[in-house]
Amino acid sequence: DIQMTQSPSSLSASLGDRVTITCRASQSISNHLNWYQQKPGKAPDLLIFGASSLQGGVPSRFSGSGSGTDFTLTISSLQPEDFASYYCQQTYSTPPYTFGQGTKLEI
Amino acid sequence: EVQLVESGGALVNPGGSLRLSCAASESIFSHAWMTWVRQAPGKGLEWVGRIKSKGGGGAIDYAAPVKGRFTISRDDAQDTLYLQMNSLKTEDTAIYYCTWDHFYSGAYYVSDYWGQGTLVTVSS
Repeated sequence: DIQMTQSPSSLSASLGDRVTITCRASQSISNHLNWYQQKPGKAPDLLIFGASSLQGGVPSRFSGSGSGTDFTLTISSLQPEDFASYYCQQTYSTPPYTFGQGTKLEI
Repeated sequence: EVQLVESGGALVNPGGSLRLSCAASESIFSHAWMTWVRQAPGKGLEWVGRIKSKGGGGAIDYAAPVKGRFTISRDDAQDTLYLQMNSLKTEDTAIYYCTWDHFYSGAYYVSDYWGQGTLVTVSS
């Protein structure tokens, strides 16, 4: 199975900051990498698919990059509604489609 | 828009069984590929398993921790997905989400619709 290692596990930042979260796959997954945002008490929402394509309705301050084994999620200027947990997920080839451990973004 | 409603979560003893349901609002459910994802209290997301549509071959895949204990099935006439959980362990305690999945841009597999989740607690 493909393992996903996400870092950091938690991150403190301020409004307007630029933050980057990284995700590393245990083997090449091309660009079959999704990012989800989860707010407390809610189900996750899809942010980015295909490593860099924004889901409809997602603000342009979110961006994703990477290919192969190394990926990043960047938020260019933090807004109050961005404080949440973020998860990467690989959907390369056949299941299981593993998630990273998550990053909790705090003020 | 697709709506998914999970039900069936409960407190159950270790070694016990439980069946979760996920009711979909769309009659095209028969074409859907569906996934179960769980989240232990205060922990991250864990992929549990996926069932393809019958038209897509109907294959079912499971994560290693649940393989042989959990069974995913579907009733397309009732637009409902199921997760039968047997031989439950304390580490199965989690919120269980069902998701309706799609291929984006013809290639990228995503879980883009999620239910609100149902809580399963395994404890004596």
